Amino acid sequence: EAGVAQSPRYKIIEKRQSVAFWCNPISGHATLYWYQQILGQGPKLLIQFQNNGVVDDSQLPKDRFSAERLKGVDSTLKIQPAKLEDSAVYLCASSLAQELSPLHFGNGTRLTVT
Amino acid sequence: AQSVAQPEDQVNVAEGNPLTVKCTYSVSGNPYLFWYVQYPNRGLQFLLKYITGDNLVKGSYGFEAEFNKSQTSFHLKKPSALVSDSALYFCAVRPLRGSWGKLQFGAGTQVVVTP
Repeated sequence: EAGVAQSPRYKIIEKRQSVAFWCNPISGHATLYWYQQILGQGPKLLIQFQNNGVVDDSQLPKDRFSAERLKGVDSTLKIQPAKLEDSAVYLCASSLAQELSPLHFGNGTRLTVT
Repeated sequence: AQSVAQPEDQVNVAEGNPLTVKCTYSVSGNPYLFWYVQYPNRGLQFLLKYITGDNLVKGSYGFEAEFNKSQTSFHLKKPSALVSDSALYFCAVRPLRGSWGKLQFGAGTQVVVTP
């Protein structure tokens, strides 16, 4: 099966600019996640979707981050305006809509904010 | 609050020797524990999980993990390490409250297997 697709792989922007990341999950996976992985740390969940609805966005900095999954398939994560501390790898993952189903991660987008 | 700790930033082992990556957890109630592996410039890959039952859990690529409730540990093990096992390993716990995908990850342990 095809894996989780993410683009772009790398992005360099200046602070206060905006940026968007795209994710296409594994076909049939109703649940989609965005994780933030800062260098030297484990991934942190930003937002979780079940189909096109938000299940958990408690750790999403909503003043600057937004995400959508309008048709319940692919998803976009946006940062506006970016800060230096947003430099990280943004990982998209998907899973079946079953509790404790393993997460399948994409290769991530490495964001550098200068 | 639920959390996991990986006390070693890096583990060095010679190829063919046993490999152990340590993880301890802090969870109220019965924990759901996971191990993931991350190769350079790649996303995380699921290795194994402990939900309930047998304390020894077998996973992918010859890895296994032992759940020890009295020591609140969930160490990852492989009897004979390969150079290709060199990667970043993450232990994770699923909090009792919150969505099922909201895994709390440790900081990771870099494993270096030398030929």
